Amino acid sequence: ETGVTQTPRHLVMGMTNKKSLKCEQHLGHNAMYWYKQSAKKPLELMFVYSLEERVENNSVPSRFSPECPNSSHLFLHLHTLQPEDSALYLCASSQLLQGGYGGYTFGSGTRLTVV
Amino acid sequence: DQQVKQNSPSLSVQEGRISILNCDYTNSMFDYFLWYKKYPAEGPTFLISISSIKDKNEDGRFTVFLNKSAKHLSLHIVPSQPGDSAVYFCAASGAGGSQGNLIFGKGTKLSVKP
Repeated sequence: ETGVTQTPRHLVMGMTNKKSLKCEQHLGHNAMYWYKQSAKKPLELMFVYSLEERVENNSVPSRFSPECPNSSHLFLHLHTLQPEDSALYLCASSQLLQGGYGGYTFGSGTRLTVV
Repeated sequence: DQQVKQNSPSLSVQEGRISILNCDYTNSMFDYFLWYKKYPAEGPTFLISISSIKDKNEDGRFTVFLNKSAKHLSLHIVPSQPGDSAVYFCAASGAGGSQGNLIFGKGTKLSVKP
């Protein structure tokens, strides 16, 4: 148990579907992140939420829509995805200004397959 | 363009020997470097880090070396154990005020053979 829980663990969706990924942390952290891990690529930062406000959006297509209703929960809403969006989506949390110093805690990820 | 590069996608080492994983970076504003370890079906976990004011940090079997002039860091594991088999990610932070955001490399898959 890492303290950061992601659901579902696996998801297969069609290109016209709408689905959501969920992340929950019980560590009292106040920053949350979405990362994407594609095959043979670095972990790519997608979104950063600090104190429930989005502070970074790394040119992510609008078919990915994050939501952070409170400091413990983070969602990634998906719609009209493409097969190339198939990847492992990782959620992480940290204390503000501590994440870059080893303070990240990652969830186990959601393996997404778009068919 | 990648700011953190791990040019070796995989490494195979015999148990008991030294494993050396390498990482290069391009952004001189990075001031903190980290290694994360990832097992299959799990998220990455923090392993060891080093500040740019140091050139070496040691924690048990794990040592990270930083060469700022070459913009290069390496992780040494000695002696290597089969349980060390995992993907190792190099990461950096501190660029442009985004100290909380980590920039990762592609990872190197380490296999330690008994």
